[in-house]
Amino acid sequence: EAGVAQSPRYKIIEKRQSVAFWCNPISGHATLYWYQQILGQGPKLLIQFQNNGVVDDSQLPKDRFSAERLKGVDSTLKIQPAKLEDSAVYLCASRRSGYNEQFFGPGTRLTVL
Amino acid sequence: SQQGEEDPQALSIQEGENATMNCSYKTSINNLQWYRQNSGRGLVHLILIRSNEREKHSGRLRVTLDTSKKSSSLLITASRAADTASYFCATDPRPYNAGNNRKLIWGLGTSLAVNP
Repeated sequence: EAGVAQSPRYKIIEKRQSVAFWCNPISGHATLYWYQQILGQGPKLLIQFQNNGVVDDSQLPKDRFSAERLKGVDSTLKIQPAKLEDSAVYLCASRRSGYNEQFFGPGTRLTVL
Repeated sequence: SQQGEEDPQALSIQEGENATMNCSYKTSINNLQWYRQNSGRGLVHLILIRSNEREKHSGRLRVTLDTSKKSSSLLITASRAADTASYFCATDPRPYNAGNNRKLIWGLGTSLAVNP
């Protein structure tokens, strides 16, 4: 089966600009996660979707970050406006209901200058 | 949020040697998972051990779990250069996770370098 797809793979922007990331999970996976991974750290969960509903967004900085999964398949994560500390790899993962394993995409490396 | 803690933070060994990484966590868990991350393949699930299991094997991997000490270890036997990566433990905490709300709590990782 095809894996989790993410785009773009790399993005360089200036602070205060906006950026959007896209994720296409594995077909049939109802749960989708967005993580932020800063260099040298483990992934930090930003938001979790179950189909098109938000299950957990407690660590999402809602003043600048937003995410949606309108049809319960693809998802986008947006940052507006970006700050220097947003420089990180943004990972998307999906999980099939009833199973524990999460499958990760290759990530988007964001650099904010 | 609570996090697991891996040690050592970094480990360097020669090809053919065994590598052992440890993970400690703070809450009761449903299961504990180990993932590997390298530049070529991103984050990949390696093995899952449930709270009622004490040891599990998968190929050259051996995972142990001690729920009384809230700790786990990952052993990679006969290491290869291709095992060079960061290894993360992630816990599925109980009772926070139920039904569809399955959120993993991640450690900071152990960076393993296997020298040819």
